[in-house]
Amino acid sequence: GAVVSQHPSWVICKSGTSVKIECRSLDFQATTMFWYRQFPKQSLMLMATSNEGSKATYEQGVEKDKFLINHASLTLSTLTVTSAHPEDSSFYICSAQVVGDEKLFFGSGTQLSVL
Amino acid sequence: AQSVTQPDIHITVSEGASLELRCNYSYGATPYLFWYVQSPGQGLQLLLKYFSGDTLVQGIKGFEAEFKRSQSSFNLRKPSVHWSDAAEYFCAVGAGSGTYKYIFGTGTRLKVLA
Repeated sequence: GAVVSQHPSWVICKSGTSVKIECRSLDFQATTMFWYRQFPKQSLMLMATSNEGSKATYEQGVEKDKFLINHASLTLSTLTVTSAHPEDSSFYICSAQVVGDEKLFFGSGTQLSVL
Repeated sequence: AQSVTQPDIHITVSEGASLELRCNYSYGATPYLFWYVQSPGQGLQLLLKYFSGDTLVQGIKGFEAEFKRSQSSFNLRKPSVHWSDAAEYFCAVGAGSGTYKYIFGTGTRLKVLA
């Protein structure tokens, strides 16, 4: 099956720094990637939808200047948490999709802890 | 707007017992429906999906789900639970054209007693 690699698996950073999370589709071309955020014992909340070569579409309430998403190629999307604060600590999960196919393939997630 | 409700936050069953996890959705048309399983600190693994056709779908790991349009439900079942099934289960609705946005339920945490 299709594999989505997400890196890093976990990261600890100081408040005020920026953190980049990568999401790669290893054996298929992902025209669309999604970024989710998951708080402990809660569901996945869609943050944004990114299409290769265009600007990401953010969900209501998600700060686009804080969560920068880049989808520069058909196999890579990145999420950069800028000027991270402790309240940004969360589990971030990416998923990838081939256009016209309803299946989503998920990365293994990134646990971000901001001190 | 579409939404997904999983009424049970926690479910505990004994190993070997049957399991049913409930999922109700709200959507104007026939949606794509999915069940995912998440182990602690991990991403999501697709168990099964429904798009059209036979309303009883078979998935991996012995799971099945039945789509009932009249009840707007897509409940997940397994006849005999194994200890390794302990995890978080998410029901999701996917809708769109070309690009499908998923809306996830709040999840049901399954605990299996030996």
